[in-house]
Amino acid sequence: ETGVTQSPTHLIKTRGQQVTLRCSSQSGHNTVSWYQQALGQGPQFIFQYYREEENGRGNFPPRFSGLQFPNYSSELNVNALELDDSALYLCASSLAPGGEAFFGQGTRLTVV
Amino acid sequence: GIQVEQSPPDLILQEGANSTLRCNFSDSVNNLQWFHQNPWGQLINLFYIPSGTKQNGRLSATTVATERYSLLYISSSQTTDSGVYFCAVNPLAGAGSYQLTFGKGTKLSVIP
Repeated sequence: ETGVTQSPTHLIKTRGQQVTLRCSSQSGHNTVSWYQQALGQGPQFIFQYYREEENGRGNFPPRFSGLQFPNYSSELNVNALELDDSALYLCASSLAPGGEAFFGQGTRLTVV
Repeated sequence: GIQVEQSPPDLILQEGANSTLRCNFSDSVNNLQWFHQNPWGQLINLFYIPSGTKQNGRLSATTVATERYSLLYISSSQTTDSGVYFCAVNPLAGAGSYQLTFGKGTKLSVIP
């Protein structure tokens, strides 16, 4: 059984650019959630996708957007990058919304 | 939304010592998970424990849902137990029931 995988593992971008992060869910999981973790903090919920539809969103601006594909993999897109977007981005998959979540290894984004 | 408080924020142990980490939450939950975040940032699942007691080797956890707290016990600690331990919950109902809300974590350092 393949776990949750994320790519890339590290990324450096310039302020104002756009970035796309990718996540492959665990086999059989139809729900993917994205979290942002700033240094020294707990992860903060960005949004969740369930069967290709957005199923909930945290307090993040519209320049954070996402997508889920028919195979349940997912993308997180961030436009107009700001310095404060520098963080570890974590993807989690679960069998259903609210179910036990399993996390990928994360993508560390640095905005300069 | 639901509030999650973890204590203590920092803990230093001698190798071989035992410890108890606490997680308090402000509302009823349908999911509670304990994670260990390794130095590379990955969140490792320890327990899925909305209620009751579970054990896995040197680790065990107890959640008393009616009193809104959970405890994580680490016995005979090893240096590899070092890292940050997070408690995360899904509220039982209402807005946000699909998202995990994390505490700020307990940073554990086990010294030889």
